[in-house]
Amino acid sequence: GNSVTQMEGPVTLSEEAFLTINCTYTATGYPSLFWYVQYPGEGLQLLLKATKADDKGSNKGFEATYRKETTSFHLEKGSVQVSDSAVYFCALSNSGGSNYKLTFGKGTLLTVNP
Amino acid sequence: DVKVTQSSRYLVKRTGEKVFLECVQDMDHENMFWYRQDPGLGLRLIYFSYDVKMKEKGDIPEGYSVSREKKERFSLILESASTNQTSMYLCASSLWGPHQNTEAFFGQGTRLTVV
Repeated sequence: GNSVTQMEGPVTLSEEAFLTINCTYTATGYPSLFWYVQYPGEGLQLLLKATKADDKGSNKGFEATYRKETTSFHLEKGSVQVSDSAVYFCALSNSGGSNYKLTFGKGTLLTVNP
Repeated sequence: DVKVTQSSRYLVKRTGEKVFLECVQDMDHENMFWYRQDPGLGLRLIYFSYDVKMKEKGDIPEGYSVSREKKERFSLILESASTNQTSMYLCASSLWGPHQNTEAFFGQGTRLTVV
């Protein structure tokens, strides 16, 4: 079946530090890959996505590249801000037929200190 | 602005009660989902629905049922609440179709405590 493994948290960084959150996956076929973010007290919202190998998703200074050869989709940001403090979830979709289901990693809590 | 609305942010229920969690979306999406979120376990799919009156079990359906009588509304039912169902419940919706285009939109969550 499908599975997503992302690095354990929590991750604590100082403002302007470089961020990497590792994510690897197991899936058959050609899944789409996503990063979702959950700010305190809120639901999840899509941060970025990539739908095929070598695609790069980007948004709000975050980037992730779909690497099929290493089955990875690592999240990076060059300079984090306090407002980036949140839980980050890596996810994949690999629908059987026309239905759409997401498989999530366990989430990584990021805290950015001023 | 697209929206998925869950009826309650916080609920406290007693063991053995029947509990209804309601979710409404205004995007005319075919797919709707219920997840529960627990520390260290991430999000786990309870049930999903791809059409009115259609439903499929997710990874952890035991102790839950669902109802989808109208396209915009998807209800999660705890037939007899137990303390191990204390959790954050998240509803989501998405379009039907090729999964590359099917971003999921989430509600703000319902934090349920069963005492």
